[in-house]
Amino acid sequence: SAVISQKPSRDICQRGTSLTIQCQVDSQVTMMFWYRQQPGQSLTLIATANQGSEATYESGFVIDKFPISRPNLTFSTLTVSNLSPEDSSIYLCSVDNTGELFFGEGSRLTVL
Amino acid sequence: GENVEQHPSTLSVQEGDSAVIKCTYSDSASNYFPWYKQELGKGPQLIIDIRSNVGEKKDQRIAVTLNKTAKHFSLHITETQPEDSAVYFCAVVIDQTGANNLFFGTGTRLTVIP
Repeated sequence: SAVISQKPSRDICQRGTSLTIQCQVDSQVTMMFWYRQQPGQSLTLIATANQGSEATYESGFVIDKFPISRPNLTFSTLTVSNLSPEDSSIYLCSVDNTGELFFGEGSRLTVL
Repeated sequence: GENVEQHPSTLSVQEGDSAVIKCTYSDSASNYFPWYKQELGKGPQLIIDIRSNVGEKKDQRIAVTLNKTAKHFSLHITETQPEDSAVYFCAVVIDQTGANNLFFGTGTRLTVIP
């Protein structure tokens, strides 16, 4: 399995600001993904973070709101921009390691 | 896309009893079926998975069964313990080509009563 570290683990932000979440993996992985988990809900895929190219976004998610970086095979960031209370969620990084999907511990965001 | 239904949404069992969670899916091309356990404040943890060429897989107290004809699969936990209390998610993968083909169920909150 892969060890995935996410920072911050939690944060409280003001409306209109942005938060950048970092994801570090202990080994090189081809596929990295970002999920959102709203309170009491299941997981929704935001985008696939592609190394060296623009991320691939799922329906309902756009780059202006959720810019993603993937500078190398072990690191990615997700920014949640122009925050509103509706963005309060857990954001999870995950990696595909030989066909199995592993998750980080998540970053719990609360927007006031 | 795939439609994954998971039941029940909540489940309470006495310690030592068994727990069963069921999921159904719609796309017959689905070929990989992982189960995740999510404890409070933590990310989902892969606990067991099964591929379409296998009907059953067991790992100690946890087992998963798959019925491809009926398009359903189940998680079985025997001799439950309080530390089994968590939210469990089933998932379905079509062609196992990446998370964009991974669809999650809605989750089951399992409570094991000591």
